[in-house]
Amino acid sequence: KQEVTQIPAALSVPEGENLVLNCSFTDSAIYNLQWFRQDPGKGLTSLLLIQSSQREQTSGRLNASLDKSSGRSTLYIAASQPGDSATYLCAVVLIKAAGNKLTFGGGTRVLVKP
Amino acid sequence: DGGITQSPKYLFRKEGQNVTLSCEQNLNHDAMYWYRQDPGQGLRLIYYSQIVNDFQKGDIAEGYSVSREKKESFPLTVTSAQKNPTAFYLCASSPQGGNEKLFFGSGTQLSVL
Repeated sequence: KQEVTQIPAALSVPEGENLVLNCSFTDSAIYNLQWFRQDPGKGLTSLLLIQSSQREQTSGRLNASLDKSSGRSTLYIAASQPGDSATYLCAVVLIKAAGNKLTFGGGTRVLVKP
Repeated sequence: DGGITQSPKYLFRKEGQNVTLSCEQNLNHDAMYWYRQDPGQGLRLIYYSQIVNDFQKGDIAEGYSVSREKKESFPLTVTSAQKNPTAFYLCASSPQGGNEKLFFGSGTQLSVL
């Protein structure tokens, strides 16, 4: 059974510092990995999707890397801003899964202090 | 605007009562999903549907039921058999259920009176 872990559970940084969020998964036979952002009491917003054949994806200040062999993905957020404060979740889709059955990590709650 | 609409935002359930959460999408997506989120935890899949009139159980389907009579609608009923229903419920959709990006609604917080 695929397990997805995100460490740390919470992170606090001063504004301007780069953020590094980690995601690990136990089964390397993944189809893709997605990073989401969730604001308190809200739904999830997809940030980046990395296909299994890709090593990284970039969007603005966000960069996500994927290392299937070690079962790890890292989300980098450059020059953090208070508006980046949110919970960030990663989720993976197994190759043999029917439909888009994502397995989610527990999330990392980020606070960027002005 | 295109998107996914969940209602109500807050819902309270009495002992022994069934309640239904609404999820509507106008994105013309084939696949729809229901997830449950408990405080400080990730999302767990309850039910999903890849096409009208068809749906499958997810990892925690016991105590829940769904229907998919229309492409744009995927309501979730929390039955009295679900003994611990307090959670944040999220509905999502994707174009074809083929591992594309998921689009989420804004969620429904269900609490027990």
